[in-house]
Amino acid sequence: GNSVTQMEGPVTLSEEAFLTINCTYTATGYPSLFWYVQYPGEGLQLLLKATKADDKGSNKGFEATYRKETTSFHLEKGSVQVSDSAVYFCALSDSGQFYFGTGTSLTVIP
Amino acid sequence: KAGVTQTPRYLIKTRGQQVTLSCSPISGHRSVSWYQQTPGQGLQFLFEYFSETQRNKGNFPGRFSGRQFSNSRSEMNVSTLELGDSALYLCASSPFSTGLNSPLHFGNGTRLTVT
Repeated sequence: GNSVTQMEGPVTLSEEAFLTINCTYTATGYPSLFWYVQYPGEGLQLLLKATKADDKGSNKGFEATYRKETTSFHLEKGSVQVSDSAVYFCALSDSGQFYFGTGTSLTVIP
Repeated sequence: KAGVTQTPRYLIKTRGQQVTLSCSPISGHRSVSWYQQTPGQGLQFLFEYFSETQRNKGNFPGRFSGRQFSNSRSEMNVSTLELGDSALYLCASSPFSTGLNSPLHFGNGTRLTVT
């Protein structure tokens, strides 16, 4: 079946530190992959996406590359800001249904 | 363009009651999906509607039901509420059926508390 596994949180980083949040997936077909971000009291916002192998999604300094050989879609950012503090969800969409990871809480301290 | 609008934002209900949540998708979006979010279970898929037809359904009891109107607005109903139904209910819209793997656009959710 389909599933998404992402690293456990919470993650605490100092401002300007490098961020990696690991995400691996299992899929029976050819999924699209997404990262969503959720700020307190809000719904999920699409951060970036990739629709096929070797695609790189990027937005607001965040990047993730669709790696079919390692079934991974790790989220990275070179220099985090306090405003990046949120919960990040990795997700896949395959044959009409979305599957979400459990979320990774990120806190960035000044 | 207005985003996905969910009403109400907060609800407090008593065990055994029923509740109806409303979702207005982004203009032009024809697919509406519903999710339940809880700290223990994360995001769980409830159902998806496209052009007034239920396309997919998650693994929830029959107490959870939904519908979509001709203007793509959707409602979700939960009958005979249980304490475990307390959660954030998220609605998401998409221009196409999720079968095309197009991204979901989420509303801010309805926080349901069952006492």
